[in-house]
Amino acid sequence: GENVEQHPSTLSVQEGDSAVIKCTYSDSASNYFPWYKQELGKRPQLIIDIRSNVGEKKDQRIAVTLNKTAKHFSLHITETQPEDSAVYFCAASRLVGGGYNKLIFGAGTRLAVHP
Amino acid sequence: DTGVSQDPRHKITKRGQNVTFRCDPISEHNRLYWYRQTLGQGPEFLTYFQNEAQLEKSRLLSDRFSAERPKGSFSTLEIQRTEQGDSAMYLCASRVAETYEQYFGPGTRLTVT
Repeated sequence: GENVEQHPSTLSVQEGDSAVIKCTYSDSASNYFPWYKQELGKRPQLIIDIRSNVGEKKDQRIAVTLNKTAKHFSLHITETQPEDSAVYFCAASRLVGGGYNKLIFGAGTRLAVHP
Repeated sequence: DTGVSQDPRHKITKRGQNVTFRCDPISEHNRLYWYRQTLGQGPEFLTYFQNEAQLEKSRLLSDRFSAERPKGSFSTLEIQRTEQGDSAMYLCASRVAETYEQYFGPGTRLTVT
């Protein structure tokens, strides 16, 4: 079945360092890959996404890369700040007839940025 | 607040009781999704609506679960004869037809005692 694996489950970095989170998906027809940030007790917030026709996308300190051949994608956060501390989820989906795209989520990465 | 809203935010119920949750999507969003999130896990897809039509239900959605979106606006998720295993955060998300991005509500945290 459809599956997304996410690593690492926890990540601890010093403020200013970079953080990388990796995900692998099983459905080769997946064509949309969003990343969500979830702070404790709050809703998942979309922070960046990438579609299958693009290999990389950047937005200020965050970037996502996609390797369709290997079926994996990664989130890169540079110059981390304490407010980046949260749980990050990757997801994958594909459009099917009717245009819906249910998201298949990874298990999450708890990122801690220490001052 | 023009985001997705959910009500109630918290619900504590006894095993065997029925509960109903409500989701109000962003006003122009005609696609609506329900997900369930347990502690330490990512959200899991439950069901999808395009306007008022329910187009897919996950196998996670047993016959005790039912969802509706009668006028293509708000949606309700009902759980009958709740079990302790139903304890979770129930999240609603919505999007417009022309885009991929799904926006989540704050969730309803259900505790079954």
